[in-house]
Amino acid sequence: DVKVTQSSRYLVKRTGEKVFLECVQDMDHENMFWYRQDPGLGLRLIYFSYDVKMKEKGDIPEGYSVSREKKERFSLILESASTNQTSMYLCASSQQGAVTEAFFGQGTRLTVV
Amino acid sequence: GESVGLHLPTLSVQEGDNSIINCAYSNSASDYFIWYKQESGKGPQFIIDIRSNMDKRQGQRVTVLLNKTVKHLSLQIAATQPGDSAVYFCAERRGSWGKLQFGAGTQVVVTP
Repeated sequence: DVKVTQSSRYLVKRTGEKVFLECVQDMDHENMFWYRQDPGLGLRLIYFSYDVKMKEKGDIPEGYSVSREKKERFSLILESASTNQTSMYLCASSQQGAVTEAFFGQGTRLTVV
Repeated sequence: GESVGLHLPTLSVQEGDNSIINCAYSNSASDYFIWYKQESGKGPQFIIDIRSNMDKRQGQRVTVLLNKTVKHLSLQIAATQPGDSAVYFCAERRGSWGKLQFGAGTQVVVTP
């Protein structure tokens, strides 16, 4: 069974903290994505990576960075957490050349206080 | 900017009835349109997709219709079951890296 695992289900951080969200996939997928999900706004793409050490900005990259040192792992970094980054964060992966099917993790609910 | 949007935020359906979830899109350059299902506490899961040069595609209990003239996408679920209760997202594929643009989602509630 394919699996995308996010390190935390729930996270509470203070304003100004540096936050790391980790994602691991076991499917040997080339593509990995970080989305943010907010009510009424659907899923918005923050960053994606199509290969190790490669990254591309999505639609809302401001305030975030990413790291992909190994193929199976994709990290999202909030350099200085702010309250408007309180949200559900979803990681996904897909095969290179996969047209439409991405596999999602269960999400990390981040609250910044 | 261009976006994928939904007509209704919540759809209540009686068990056994057919469900129709609608979606409007504005980016005519997208080559694929997709439906995802998100159950409570889980990440979205792929249901079905349709290429932009097609009008209809059927899966198991689901049918996706694409009307390019009015830029409208719909998902039909036959004989809706309690397990179909979820948020449904339409999405469009932009570019070759599998980047997906999602709509806001429709909550489907199946009542007995």
